[in-house]
Amino acid sequence: DTAVSQTPKYLVTQMGNDKSIKCEQNLGHDTMYWYKQDSKKFLKIMFSYNNKELIINETVPNRFSPKSPDKAHLNLHINSLELGDSAVYFCASSQEPGSYEQYFGPGTRLTVT
Amino acid sequence: QKEVEQNSGPLSVPEGAIASLNCTYSDRGSQSFFWYRQYSGKSPELIMSIYSNGDKEDGRFTAQLNKASQYVSLLIRDSQPSDSATYLCAVNQRGRDDKIIFGKGTRLHILP
Repeated sequence: DTAVSQTPKYLVTQMGNDKSIKCEQNLGHDTMYWYKQDSKKFLKIMFSYNNKELIINETVPNRFSPKSPDKAHLNLHINSLELGDSAVYFCASSQEPGSYEQYFGPGTRLTVT
Repeated sequence: QKEVEQNSGPLSVPEGAIASLNCTYSDRGSQSFFWYRQYSGKSPELIMSIYSNGDKEDGRFTAQLNKASQYVSLLIRDSQPSDSATYLCAVNQRGRDDKIIFGKGTRLHILP
């Protein structure tokens, strides 16, 4: 049984398009995250939701909009994609914010051409 | 933003030896410390967490924490080729946003 799942696994699209990535966790955790891992493998937090409420919103362009319909799901919508958005996006979850162990999804490799 | 520093490596260690991975952090208020392992093309996987000063052992892995020196390390005993991966140190940052900051990772290569 997959604990944290993401779809799609790969996403190739052109500049200017809008795309979404979906994430689901079946661990019963209250907190979910989106991370971006760039080509240099640096893993940086983008957003965090706790019980459907946005609690972390890093300096991310407002073309990125997260949505949490319930505490088991966190989606990421990206408008007007740019070349610099190419990266691997990881969803993660933890029992509570910050201090608790995080469990990562398999990642979505986004390539913008 | 508070920093988490790691040597990027690669760190090459002979099979069977002890691999020692180090991490320093700048936020004195940090309380929770984690080591994640990431194989190439895969997602980070939690291998150790440590919350108090001293050593914590789990199988071949030992995490060491020294809050006074703001230093956390991971020792891997009897290193195996399957331990070859990037190891990410992560530290919680207390404040308005309770979040974890990741280091840039150390690439470990176990030589057969």
